[in-house]
Amino acid sequence: GAGVSQSPSNKVTEKGKDVELRCDPISGHTALYWYRQSLGQGLEFLIYFQGNSAPDKSGLPSDRFSAERTGGSVSTLTIQRTQQEDSAVYLCASSLVAGTFGETQYFGPGTRLLVL
Amino acid sequence: KQEVTQIPAALSVPEGENLVLNCSFTDSAIYNLQWFRQDPGKGLTSLLLIQSSQREQTSGRLNASLDKSSGRSTLYIAASQPGDSATYLCAVKPLSQGGSEKLVFGKGTKLTVNP
Repeated sequence: GAGVSQSPSNKVTEKGKDVELRCDPISGHTALYWYRQSLGQGLEFLIYFQGNSAPDKSGLPSDRFSAERTGGSVSTLTIQRTQQEDSAVYLCASSLVAGTFGETQYFGPGTRLLVL
Repeated sequence: KQEVTQIPAALSVPEGENLVLNCSFTDSAIYNLQWFRQDPGKGLTSLLLIQSSQREQTSGRLNASLDKSSGRSTLYIAASQPGDSATYLCAVKPLSQGGSEKLVFGKGTKLTVNP
């Protein structure tokens, strides 16, 4: 079926506004991941979902960041009161089953966020 | 804390050359190591995944090796083509993460293959 999709592909917002980023994983994939790629930086992990629960939220940079996943499928990453340092590409990935040795993560095209 | 380093940060070669990209990681306790390709404005595409018990994987003109004990991996690209131009990312899946499945990435090597 289709790959991982993300929306919007680009988002420009003003400092202080809230934004929501959406991820549609590959159908049937139980694990979902959010990463952030800032200019000149590597990908940094934000949060991991297994089903609708999030066993690892350790990468969320502050309490302005939150994420949820409903129905074991779509996930939304919300950034409240955006700051300029939040500008980055936000990548979502999914995998069929987590907790196995060789499970490849499939990545979406990302949402490019610019905070003015 | 696991850290992944990729050298060089950028590489420019003429078409047809064989080349090697390097990746090193600080903690040898990993499940696997994966090489990805990222094209501008696009997501990541998985190229090769090497289990911790394996030494290498091959796909077409690509060969990835893993020396877990020394914390090193290389990606060998044979007979490079302009279409190989992209950023290549190395990522490891740490062994002990308390139930997390996250990958730890290097910053990538930006490869340019000139016609």
